[in-house]
Amino acid sequence: GQQVMQIPQYQHVQEGEDFTTYCNSSTTLSNIQWYKQRPGGHPVFLIQLVKSGEVKKQKRLTFQFGEAKKNSSLHITATQTTDVGTYFCAGRGGATNKLIFGTGTLLAVQP
Amino acid sequence: DTGVSQDPRHKITKRGQNVTFRCDPISEHNRLYWYRQTLGQGPEFLTYFQNEAQLEKSRLLSDRFSAERPKGSFSTLEIQRTEQGDSAMYLCASSLEGLGSPLHFGNGTRLTVT
Repeated sequence: GQQVMQIPQYQHVQEGEDFTTYCNSSTTLSNIQWYKQRPGGHPVFLIQLVKSGEVKKQKRLTFQFGEAKKNSSLHITATQTTDVGTYFCAGRGGATNKLIFGTGTLLAVQP
Repeated sequence: DTGVSQDPRHKITKRGQNVTFRCDPISEHNRLYWYRQTLGQGPEFLTYFQNEAQLEKSRLLSDRFSAERPKGSFSTLEIQRTEQGDSAMYLCASSLEGLGSPLHFGNGTRLTVT
């Protein structure tokens, strides 16, 4: 079945450093969504990418969808302590409507 | 918009007992999803409904799990003969119909099987 992997599993940065998480799917995706889950919280939707090669920005966050629609990345510039949490990508592939979540990247930011 | 609500927040049960969880989605959302999440892992898809129809169910889900959405509004997830491996956070999410509609998650029900 469809699998979505993310690397790294965990990243510890100093406040102000940049951070990137990478998402790879075993199958071509129709779209990809990104979610953030704060410690003790539930996943919260950040953004969706649909087109091959698409790039979207939200303030310090930059999201990319690969040309082959099988991978994606999230880059955070100048991290802040409020960025702490686990970032998940989630994608739909083939004829299914179910959203498959990646393994997640836990970001820790040291002030 | 009162958000997705789940009840109970926590459930502790003994192995072999049956448990039932409830999810109330955002009222105008016709899609409802159940996921299971264990510590350090991503949400694992269990099943989803469009209105009252259960359209997909994970092959990982054993026959002990059943979900219903009888009137296309709230949903219940029942686990029969619970096992220790069922201990997890059970998350419910809802969305509008449409390929790109984001999922809105509830706070989850944390199940502990002793």
